[in-house]
Amino acid sequence: NAGVTQTPKFQVLKTGQSMTLQCAQDMNHEYMSWYRQDPGMGLRLIHYSVGAGITDQGEVPNGYNVSRSTTEDFPLRLLSAAPSQTSVYFCASRRARTDTQYFGPGTRLTVL
Amino acid sequence: QQQVKQSPQSLIVQKGGISIINCAYENTAFDYFPWYQQFPGKGPALLIAIRPDVSEKKEGRFTISFNKSAKQFSLHIMDSQPGDSATYFCAASKKNDYKLSFGAGTTVTVRA
Repeated sequence: NAGVTQTPKFQVLKTGQSMTLQCAQDMNHEYMSWYRQDPGMGLRLIHYSVGAGITDQGEVPNGYNVSRSTTEDFPLRLLSAAPSQTSVYFCASRRARTDTQYFGPGTRLTVL
Repeated sequence: QQQVKQSPQSLIVQKGGISIINCAYENTAFDYFPWYQQFPGKGPALLIAIRPDVSEKKEGRFTISFNKSAKQFSLHIMDSQPGDSATYFCAASKKNDYKLSFGAGTTVTVRA
């Protein structure tokens, strides 16, 4: 099993550009989520999904969109990047009725 | 506003010493308290977790102490090793709720 994979590892954007961060898992986990990690802030939940076709907002959803068309994939879209979105983004997955979340290796995004 | 407050921000310990990280919470609905370990350039990984029905849980050199009345929990790393150098995050979630609230993180450096 590859676990949770994320692409790209690094990305630099200009203000106003759009992009999609990819996340995939091969563990057949029902739950998937996106976090951002900023210094001194820990990890903050952006969006999450409890199954294909179901998504919901987390703590800091503004500026981000998600969709979940398959169990395996959960892309995160930035429609118009802003410098405040400079961060490290982590995708995570978890099997329903269990506690352990498995995190991907992260995407470091810089918005100039 | 973080729901889980973590301290210290960083600590340095000599090899063989004890590292102690503390977390406090306000929401009495929280009933699951995990600790995650993160190495540079990697995603967080579950280290150990506890539920409020026990006051202590030990796994190898890692121990969680939980004080329900004080709404505090802590991670103790016994016989600290250079390989334990990492950032540690405490977290909390409510029963049957997918969302985790993370502390700000503690960077532990173990000097040989």
